[in-house]
Amino acid sequence: DAKTTQPPSMDCAEGRAANLPCNHSTISGNEYVYWYRQIHSQGPQYIIHGLKNNETNEMASLIITEDRKSSTLILPHATLRDTAVYYCIVSTSAGGTSYGKLTFGQGTILTVHP
Amino acid sequence: DVKVTQSSRYLVKRTGEKVFLECVQDMDHENMFWYRQDPGLGLRLIYFSYDVKMKEKGDIPEGYSVSREKKERFSLILESASTYQTSMYLCASGVYNEQFFGPGTRLTVL
Repeated sequence: DAKTTQPPSMDCAEGRAANLPCNHSTISGNEYVYWYRQIHSQGPQYIIHGLKNNETNEMASLIITEDRKSSTLILPHATLRDTAVYYCIVSTSAGGTSYGKLTFGQGTILTVHP
Repeated sequence: DVKVTQSSRYLVKRTGEKVFLECVQDMDHENMFWYRQDPGLGLRLIYFSYDVKMKEKGDIPEGYSVSREKKERFSLILESASTYQTSMYLCASGVYNEQFFGPGTRLTVL
């Protein structure tokens, strides 16, 4: 699986958009980009994933560059409850025994300020 | 909502004891996973299972075994607990790479 690079920490004001970048320059054609977050004292939570098109759900938007070497997770209106560690993960979604082999890196600590 | 439950939130055991960590999911997922999380090392995959009675080693299986006798239940076993196994243990279930995590068990081995 391709490795990812994320900034160790970011700050955001409450109510503003939080844009979290991720570099994955060695991503291959069959690898998806996944985002998870982990709020303090809880297990990680799935946010969103995509292959090459931009994706949006009720939690966030995912923008993937055309060359797929980087992506940005956007939380459109950050709240204090969005303070968490955000993980960008690249993985295949193939069948068989390669299901679900996610490799969590260090992630980005996002702190949302009042 | 998907629910993944773990048998204990906190557990304290002595070196050499046999430890069972249990995980139950209610969404009929075929895939289940055990991770451990340590400061500075992030989450690391111990074992996963993609079907009943099937298991695969993750990145750090040494010192651990697992059991999956029923689809909804995945157990992590420490045959002889060691202090290096003091950690937060997280169970997950899911479809493809969309995984749902339990609240975690903080295990301390004295």
